[in-house]
Amino acid sequence: KNEVEQSPQNLTAQEGEFITINCSYSVGISALHWLQQHPGGGIVSLFMLSSGKKKHGRLIATINIQEKHSSLHITASHPRDSAVYICAVSRLEGAQKLVFGQGTRLTINP
Amino acid sequence: DVKVTQSSRYLVKRTGEKVFLECVQDMDHENMFWYRQDPGLGLRLIYFSYDVKMKEKGDIPEGYSVSREKKERFSLILESASTNQTSMYLCASSPDRAYGYTFGSGTRLTVV
Repeated sequence: KNEVEQSPQNLTAQEGEFITINCSYSVGISALHWLQQHPGGGIVSLFMLSSGKKKHGRLIATINIQEKHSSLHITASHPRDSAVYICAVSRLEGAQKLVFGQGTRLTINP
Repeated sequence: DVKVTQSSRYLVKRTGEKVFLECVQDMDHENMFWYRQDPGLGLRLIYFSYDVKMKEKGDIPEGYSVSREKKERFSLILESASTNQTSMYLCASSPDRAYGYTFGSGTRLTVV
C-alpha cells in the first residue's frame, strides 16, 4: 500500500465547478505539500501546510492531522486549472525527502 | 524568487552514452534532489544531497550517480544510458525540512 494515496486519479469537470482532490497518508509527517504540474511542464509548489487551512486566490488547502487527510479545493474552476495535482509529504523522521502520491489529472472543460 | 535551473529541456542520447544532467539553484539551499517521473509510477527519488560532496541514495539509484562539488550545482550522471532510462528528470532544492521545495522545469530525456 502506498504511503500517500490520492483520489480521484482523474477528474473532469465543467468550468465554474467546485473541485475537491483528496489525499490520505499513513506516516507521521512534518508537512504536507500540494504541487501542480501542467502538461509538459515543471512542478510548482502550491502549498505547504502542517495544520489547519491555507488559501491562495481560488485555491484552498486543508489538513486534518488526526485523520491524516488533506484536501485541495478549487473554487470557480477555469480551463487553465487543468493540470496534474500532486500531494506529497515530508516524513517526520528519517531523511528529508518527499513521499509522493500518484497525482490527480484534472481537466476543466469550457 | 528561488530559481532551480535545469540545463536542458529536451535531450536525445544513444544507448551506452554517458549523460550529464545539470541542476543549478540560486538561493543557497542545503538540500538538492533528483527525481524521475514516469506515467503510472509518479515521481521517484534517484539521489539527494544535503551538503557539498554529500550524497544519499534514493529509491532507484541503480544506473545513476551524482556529483555535488559546489553548493549550487547538483549533477545527475547516467554512466551508460539505456532505453529504460528514457524519462522526465526533475531537480528540486529545499533549505530545510521545515520549508518548501522548488522544482526545476524538468529535462525530458530520450535514449535511443
